[in-house]
Amino acid sequence: DVKVTQSSRYLVKRTGEKVFLECVQDMDHENMFWYRQDPGLGLRLIYFSYDVKMKEKGDIPEGYSVSREKKERFSLILESASTNQTSMYLCASSLPGDTDTQYFGPGTRLTVL
Amino acid sequence: AQSVTQLGSHVSVSEGALVLLRCNYSSSVPPYLFWYVQYPNQGLQLLLKYTSAATLVKGINGFEAEFKKSETSFHLTKPSAHMSDAAEYFCALTKHTGNQFYFGTGTSLTVIP
Repeated sequence: DVKVTQSSRYLVKRTGEKVFLECVQDMDHENMFWYRQDPGLGLRLIYFSYDVKMKEKGDIPEGYSVSREKKERFSLILESASTNQTSMYLCASSLPGDTDTQYFGPGTRLTVL
Repeated sequence: AQSVTQLGSHVSVSEGALVLLRCNYSSSVPPYLFWYVQYPNQGLQLLLKYTSAATLVKGINGFEAEFKKSETSFHLTKPSAHMSDAAEYFCALTKHTGNQFYFGTGTSLTVIP
């Protein structure tokens, strides 16, 4: 069965802290994605990766970075968390074809105080 | 340019009534379209997808969607709503560049007993 896991379901951090969100998939997928979800805005792509050590900016990369050292793991890093980064963060993975399904993790609800 | 528009951020139906969630797209290339469902505090789960085969696509939980090129639509329907259908629904369009998606802003479905 397909599985994407995220390290935390709920996270509370303080402004200025460095925050790591981890995502692991067990499907040997090439592609991995990080989205943030906000009410009324849907899902917005932050970063994605097509392969190990590769990364591409999505639509809203400012304030974020990513790391993909192993195929199964894709980390999202908030270098200095700010209150406007309070959101639900969703990780997804997929095979590389245009018609391939993206499989999502359960999400991490991050609150920055 | 490619985009997805979901008409109606909130839809309420009575239990047993028809569910109709609207999605219109804009695409300069033949589109691949997806519907995902998100239950409270969970990630997104694929309901169905259109990949240029049959225009009427059947998905899980009794949902189906019809691709209508002339109307640039991909509306999601279910003949009879169940209480368990209450969730948020997202329409998505592939960008045709490495499985990146455009997501709509979502429609929250409430089922009234």
